Amino acid sequence: QVQLVQSGAEVKKPGASVKVSCKASGYSLTSYGISWVRQAPGQGLEWMGWISAYNDNTNYAQKLQGRVTMTTDTSTSTAYMELRSLRSDDTAVYYCARERGRSCSGGGCYSGYFDYWGQGTLVTVSS
Amino acid sequence: SYELTQPPSVSVSPGQTARITCSADALPKQYAYWYQQKPGQAPVLVIYKDSERPSGIPERFSGSSSGTTVTLTISGVQAEDEAEYYCQSADSSGSYVVFGGGTKLTVL
Repeated sequence: QVQLVQSGAEVKKPGASVKVSCKASGYSLTSYGISWVRQAPGQGLEWMGWISAYNDNTNYAQKLQGRVTMTTDTSTSTAYMELRSLRSDDTAVYYCARERGRSCSGGGCYSGYFDYWGQGTLVTVSS
Repeated sequence: SYELTQPPSVSVSPGQTARITCSADALPKQYAYWYQQKPGQAPVLVIYKDSERPSGIPERFSGSSSGTTVTLTISGVQAEDEAEYYCQSADSSGSYVVFGGGTKLTVL
């Protein structure tokens, strides 16, 4: 069965970096993209970006451009999300999710949707 | 920035029908998706491509689309359906994913 297992909770100081991992099993990582979604305490879902493990193409949310990097390691079926220059408002639960359905054709491009999610990783940014 | 607009809350009695709307300009050009999230849990996909239901999701969940508004309908609401519901789509370029602000469904 498809599973996404994320790394454990992190506590970081402002200005530091965090790297969260997401290990995929039950399917080939290169067959689907991985998106990262975060949720601040008591708030809604925020899409952070997407990576294709097939060709390493990425697409990041504009507000995070320059601070976030997404990578994959196909040898271990693991995706990573690194966020730099952490601030207190980066405190959130970070989820990885398998994205399917992202495509482009003559009619335009379409984002995908998230059919499997990791369990979430709480990142706390505090001095 | 592009936004999807959902009502903050919807309340229904058990057995009634709940309708949750999501509105945005690009919805006629982009698919909409719906997720259910219960406290302390990851979201679960309940509707994809406007109206398709994933396997394992009860038939009482359905989706529809009309112009710039998509609607999640839960027929015969049960107590276990109490949760936050999020719509998801993309901007008109299809490159950037966007979530609605979420709707808290309360079963009275």
